[in-house]
Amino acid sequence: DAGITQSPRYKITETGRQVTLMCHQTWSHSYMFWYRQDLGHGLRLIYYSAAADITDKGEVPDGYVVSRSKTENFPLTLESATRSQTSVYFCASSPGQGLPQHFGDGTRLSIL
Amino acid sequence: GQQVMQIPQYQHVQEGEDFTTYCNSSTTLSNIQWYKQRPGGHPVFLIQLVKSGEVKKQKRLTFQFGEAKKNSSLHITATQTTDVGTYFCAELQTGANNLFFGTGTRLTVIP
Repeated sequence: DAGITQSPRYKITETGRQVTLMCHQTWSHSYMFWYRQDLGHGLRLIYYSAAADITDKGEVPDGYVVSRSKTENFPLTLESATRSQTSVYFCASSPGQGLPQHFGDGTRLSIL
Repeated sequence: GQQVMQIPQYQHVQEGEDFTTYCNSSTTLSNIQWYKQRPGGHPVFLIQLVKSGEVKKQKRLTFQFGEAKKNSSLHITATQTTDVGTYFCAELQTGANNLFFGTGTRLTVIP
């Protein structure tokens, strides 16, 4: 959907580097989410945010940091990338708790 | 972490055959949602079921929510090549804050 954009679409980096994935939505949705998608695991929630300045851990938060200073942006940072964090990362937003989510196109991240 | 069981993991069908995927939970759900992800694409919301025993249809797709609100199914009648992709259920357990996504069923349609 054009209303939620992720950047970059593809990223290759090395272990130990810091990398930030960006997510921007134009719907003013209060909720935003970060998922990783790996073969055999489906979509696993990393972090979510119910509103600006409110964030909370999901299923697999270790090694990741998020912030939400503005409603429309929800960046995800890998502070010291590891090979196990190679994955496809999806950002999503929804207007309320438990409501349908709208996904971005994803970022394919490879860590060498 | 929690895993939502979805079966089967993979399904290959001839074009024109029917297809069904099932989602099962050990706990009562507030609602269940279904998403479709085309190869190389992102998940796209299809439908939300809220009521016990609810049945909803979208053209050739039929979605059901179990009477006990612990399971759901998606049935596609007379599959077409445009149905190819992975179908995910996403559960919202009673009292929980977030959806838990199933592992998905990957559908291949052979022309």
